[in-house]
Amino acid sequence: SAVISQKPSRDICQRGTSLTIQCQVDSQVTMMFWYRQQPGQSLTLIATANQGSEATYESGFVIDKFPISRPNLTFSTLTVSNMSPEDSSIYLCSVGLTYEQYFGPGTRLTVT
Amino acid sequence: SQKIEQNSEALNIQEGKTATLTCNYTNYSPAYLQWYRQDPGRGPVFLLLIRENEKEKRKERLKVTFDTTLKQSLFHITASQPADSATYLCANKIGGTSYGKLTFGQGTILTVHP
Repeated sequence: SAVISQKPSRDICQRGTSLTIQCQVDSQVTMMFWYRQQPGQSLTLIATANQGSEATYESGFVIDKFPISRPNLTFSTLTVSNMSPEDSSIYLCSVGLTYEQYFGPGTRLTVT
Repeated sequence: SQKIEQNSEALNIQEGKTATLTCNYTNYSPAYLQWYRQDPGRGPVFLLLIRENEKEKRKERLKVTFDTTLKQSLFHITASQPADSATYLCANKIGGTSYGKLTFGQGTILTVHP
């Protein structure tokens, strides 16, 4: 299993600013994933973060808006840039061990 | 495009009954389907995985079936308890790539009444 922590757990931000979300895993993993869960919706994959290479983004998500860092095998950050109210969501990081996915508790972001 | 859908937004049942949740997929044949539980303010928690060559998988009070003819998976909670109240998500990996990339159904909110 894997234990994942995220910081911050929640934040309220102003339009036009940026927020960096941190994700820490208690074991070394090759790939980490960032998901978004908009209010009342299911999870949507934003990008895959591999250590030592650039993140791979899913359709509809771009690096300029959601830059990701992956400096080592236990840590990643996701930045939500130039925020608008539409970015209000829960952001979750995730890791996979064989077929099981483990998720962090999420970061609840509100943009005003 | 690949789609995975959960028919019901919400399901209300009485304690002790069996809850049955449905997950349908279209336009592809997944190698496996996964089921997760999500409580408010928490990330999803993995429950069960069923492969395409498996008809049924069990874990304690949970049972998952996989019908490739109907393109459907059913998730059952027997002898349900109020503590089972949560959102249940089915999921499958995106395309044929790494196992970590998942696409999720929209979830079913289960409420078990005492």
